[in-house]
Amino acid sequence: DGGITQSPKYLFRKEGQNVTLSCEQNLNHDAMYWYRQDPGQGLRLIYYSQIVNDFQKGDIAEGYSVSREKKESFPLTVTSAQKNPTAFYLCASSIVRTYNQPQHFGDGTRLSIL
Amino acid sequence: RKEVEQDPGPFNVPEGATVAFNCTYSNSASQSFFWYRQDCRKEPKLLMSVYSSGNEDGRFTAQLNRASQYISLLIRDSKLSDSATYLCVVNNYGQNFVFGPGTRLSVLP
Repeated sequence: DGGITQSPKYLFRKEGQNVTLSCEQNLNHDAMYWYRQDPGQGLRLIYYSQIVNDFQKGDIAEGYSVSREKKESFPLTVTSAQKNPTAFYLCASSIVRTYNQPQHFGDGTRLSIL
Repeated sequence: RKEVEQDPGPFNVPEGATVAFNCTYSNSASQSFFWYRQDCRKEPKLLMSVYSSGNEDGRFTAQLNRASQYISLLIRDSKLSDSATYLCVVNNYGQNFVFGPGTRLSVLP
């Protein structure tokens, strides 16, 4: 089945540690996105990429980094500079520049601090 | 002013009721509109796209008013399983998707 796979489902980070969240899609979508959601809050855009080897900061990029070496993959690294990383992280993908094409989401990764 | 605004609710309605949500957007260049539903601790899932002429999918009806820059979602004959947060999403051609904060719906037995 086509879709977006995020792993792991749950992740724990120690102080000073960098952790990487995986996102893979087989929908042949050009664009991929990372969002953060805090309890009871809306989605906030961290980074997005519309083409391989290119990505842009979203609204809350500080303390995060990404790469887009392959069309199918858009990993997110939560660095030690992100002082409050506990949240629900969602990866999404979409077709670009086409009318009325929605985003599709993975089932998310919950990150907590140990 | 936020780019996409929704009443956060919660809307508490009895089973079988009809409930409507509105969403306003500020960017007049917006071209694509969607409603997503998000269950507690889950990812958002597409409920329906919103077309200019309005569209219906079973008990759900979506409307777009470009002049007033709002979209609406009507749920008829509410079920317990409709309890969720409903997210309004707006997209400008070639630009990013902008999410509203969501409206919580609780359907009560």
